[in-house]
Amino acid sequence: KAGVTQTPRYLIKTRGQQVTLSCSPISGHRSVSWYQQTPGQGLQFLFEYFSETQRNKGNFPGRFSGRQFSNSRSEMNVSTLELGDSALYLCASSLVGGDYGYTFGSGTRLTVV
Amino acid sequence: AQRVTQPEKLLSVFKGAPVELKCNYSYSGSPELFWYVQYSRQRLQLLLRHISRESIKGFTADLNKGETSFHLKKPFAQEEDSAMYYCALKYTDKLIFGTGTRLQVFP
Repeated sequence: KAGVTQTPRYLIKTRGQQVTLSCSPISGHRSVSWYQQTPGQGLQFLFEYFSETQRNKGNFPGRFSGRQFSNSRSEMNVSTLELGDSALYLCASSLVGGDYGYTFGSGTRLTVV
Repeated sequence: AQRVTQPEKLLSVFKGAPVELKCNYSYSGSPELFWYVQYSRQRLQLLLRHISRESIKGFTADLNKGETSFHLKKPFAQEEDSAMYYCALKYTDKLIFGTGTRLQVFP
């Protein structure tokens, strides 16, 4: 059974650019969540999608957005990149409600220069 | 507000010693708590769920609602247990993570 797949693994972008990250959940998982991991702030929730609907959003500026497709694959987009957006972005998928826990991908390491 | 606190950034023990990684939470409802582990250069992995009351890799964790704690314990640490451990509270379909504790097990 394939795990959660995130692409690309690494990205280097310049300030002001925009970036799109992709996440393919485990087959059958309909919930996809995104987290930002940084040394200073730790793991912080960005947003959660279920059946193409955003159900929950964390405390991040509007430059951070996402979407989910009918096959449960999800993308997140960050516009007008800032140096502080450099982080590991993690995607997690789960069955409905996450009662059995969330399975995380390996992440996309974004570096903004 | 919902919050998870892991008071220790680093815990160092020798192989064979008991381990207790502390986790306290702040939540007025009935909590759903997890422990996740991140080994070096590996993805974040689910270690334990409090509702399953299981033991994984010799680790156990008991929910203490009176003390609002969910400490992770192992009676005899192994070198391969060295990793970053995160306690997490599930709240409205999202996880609120603690800041993590790095466990170092020396031979």
